[in-house]
Amino acid sequence: DGGITQSPKYLFRKEGQNVTLSCEQNLNHDAMYWYRQDPGQGLRLIYYSQIVNDFQKGDIAEGYSVSREKKESFPLTVTSAQKNPTAFYLCASSTLPGQGRNEQFFGPGTRLTVL
Amino acid sequence: SQQGEEDPQALSIQEGENATMNCSYKTSINNLQWYRQNSGRGLVHLILIRSNEREKHSGRLRVTLDTSKKSSSLLITASRAADTASYFCATATQGGSEKLVFGKGTKLTVNP
Repeated sequence: DGGITQSPKYLFRKEGQNVTLSCEQNLNHDAMYWYRQDPGQGLRLIYYSQIVNDFQKGDIAEGYSVSREKKESFPLTVTSAQKNPTAFYLCASSTLPGQGRNEQFFGPGTRLTVL
Repeated sequence: SQQGEEDPQALSIQEGENATMNCSYKTSINNLQWYRQNSGRGLVHLILIRSNEREKHSGRLRVTLDTSKKSSSLLITASRAADTASYFCATATQGGSEKLVFGKGTKLTVNP
């Protein structure tokens, strides 16, 4: 099955801890994205990447870090500098605009709760 | 920054009725997309309409785009209880940006 997976589904973090959320895709997409969703809100872009070893900040990158060492993988680390990390995190992937349609395919999400 | 704003924020209808959701945006776009999200799940792409298109259909979905008014509407005909979800519009801005900007969504409840 082609798709995009996220793990874990639920994650609990203590104050001051860094945690890493996993995102993997086998759709051969070049672009990958991380979003944060708070209750009753839309999606806000944290980071995105168009190519291996390159990524750009989105609208709310402070307190987060990413890496793109492989085309298939785009992990997100929520650092202790993120003051209010409790949220639902969504990973997505897409082809690049020049390759045609840029609709995004989403993973099932990770719900992060700070204890 | 959120470009799209959906209206209404919440909509409750009976099965069999039509549901209309609206989206307004601020800047020029390449395309506008509608997504669906079931509670606690990821988003699923429904339909994409390009800036040079005015109307598009996919099954029970009909999307219109009015670039002069910077607005779009999503119509779901003959709604079913399974259509209960949140619906988001997302805009891809001109300039070749690969980013999408999402609105806050319309929460649709279809009562059996």
